[in-house]
Amino acid sequence: DTAVSQTPKYLVTQMGNDKSIKCEQNLGHDTMYWYKQDSKKFLKIMFSYNNKELIINETVPNRFSPKSPDKAHLNLHINSLELGDSAVYFCASSQEWSETDTQYFGPGTRLTVL
Amino acid sequence: QKEVEQNSGPLSVPEGAIASLNCTYSDRGSQSFFWYRQYSGKSPELIMSIYSNGDKEDGRFTAQLNKASQYVSLLIRDSQPSDSATYLCAVGPGANRLAFGKGNQVVVIP
Repeated sequence: DTAVSQTPKYLVTQMGNDKSIKCEQNLGHDTMYWYKQDSKKFLKIMFSYNNKELIINETVPNRFSPKSPDKAHLNLHINSLELGDSAVYFCASSQEWSETDTQYFGPGTRLTVL
Repeated sequence: QKEVEQNSGPLSVPEGAIASLNCTYSDRGSQSFFWYRQYSGKSPELIMSIYSNGDKEDGRFTAQLNKASQYVSLLIRDSQPSDSATYLCAVGPGANRLAFGKGNQVVVIP
């Protein structure tokens, strides 16, 4: 059983399109995150949600809009895709909004914008 | 801007040797320090966390923290080919607000 799952695993699309990435965790966790890992392997936080409420919103273009329909899901919608959006996007979850709880990462979604 | 630096290039170590990785950070208020391992094409997985100055050992892994000098290191003893991966240092006021370094690639040569 996959703890944190993401769909799709690969996403290839044209500039200007709108796309979504879905994330689901079956761990019963309260907190979920979205990270972006660029081609240089630099992993950077984008958003954090706790109990469906936005907690962290880093300096991310507002073309990126997260949505948490319930605690187990955190989806990421991207409008007007640009070449620089090409990266691997990781979803993660932790038990609660805590300074010590381990984050568990999903398998990642490799987004390629042509 | 909070920075986490992992400056050394790919590290090649013979099987059975010790691999040593270093990480420095800019935010003196950081309280939580983590090492993640990431195999190529896979997601990061936590291998060590440390919160207090000194050493913390877990199996073949030892994390060392020096808050005064603002560095954290990871030692991998008796390196195995399965340790070949990228190791990410992560630092934050807490586990829920992490800044990651760019990672160090380790290659263990049989």
